[in-house]
Amino acid sequence: KQEVTQIPAALSVPEGENLVLNCSFTDSAIYNLQWFRQDPGKGLTSLLLIQSSQREQTSGRLNASLDKSSGRSTLYIAASQPGDSATYLCAAKAAGNKLTFGGGTRVLVKP
Amino acid sequence: DGGITQSPKYLFRKEGQNVTLSCEQNLNHDAMYWYRQDPGQGLRLIYYSQIVNDFQKGDIAEGYSVSREKKESFPLTVTSAQKNPTAFYLCASSIGGASEKLFFGSGTQLSVL
Repeated sequence: KQEVTQIPAALSVPEGENLVLNCSFTDSAIYNLQWFRQDPGKGLTSLLLIQSSQREQTSGRLNASLDKSSGRSTLYIAASQPGDSATYLCAAKAAGNKLTFGGGTRVLVKP
Repeated sequence: DGGITQSPKYLFRKEGQNVTLSCEQNLNHDAMYWYRQDPGQGLRLIYYSQIVNDFQKGDIAEGYSVSREKKESFPLTVTSAQKNPTAFYLCASSIGGASEKLFFGSGTQLSVL
């Protein structure tokens, strides 16, 4: 059974610092890995999706990497801003079209 | 605008009552999903449907039921058999297939009176 873990559960950084968010998964037989952002009391917004054949994806200040052999993905957010404060979740998609989510990392960017 | 609409935003359930959460999408997506989120935790899959008139149980289907009579709609009923229903419920959809992005609604917070 796939298990997805995100450590740490919470992170606080000063504005301008780069953010590094970690995601690990136990079963490397995934189709893709997706990173989401969730604001309090809201739904999830997809940030980046990395297919199993890819090593990374980039969108603006966001870069996500995928290493299937080690069961890890990392989301980098460059030059963090207070508006980046949110919870970030990763999810791995495996056979049966099912996503397994990590518990999320709650990020606070202090002005 | 295309998207996923969940209603209501807040819902209260009395003891022994069934309640239904609505999820409608106009993205023309084949696949739809229901997730449950408890405070500080990740999402857990309740039910999913890959096509109209077909649906499968997820990891925590007990105490829940769904229907998929129309492509646009995937309502979730929380039955009285679900003893701990207080949670944030999220509906999602995707085009279908193994490699497609998931799009989410804004969620329904269900609480027990």
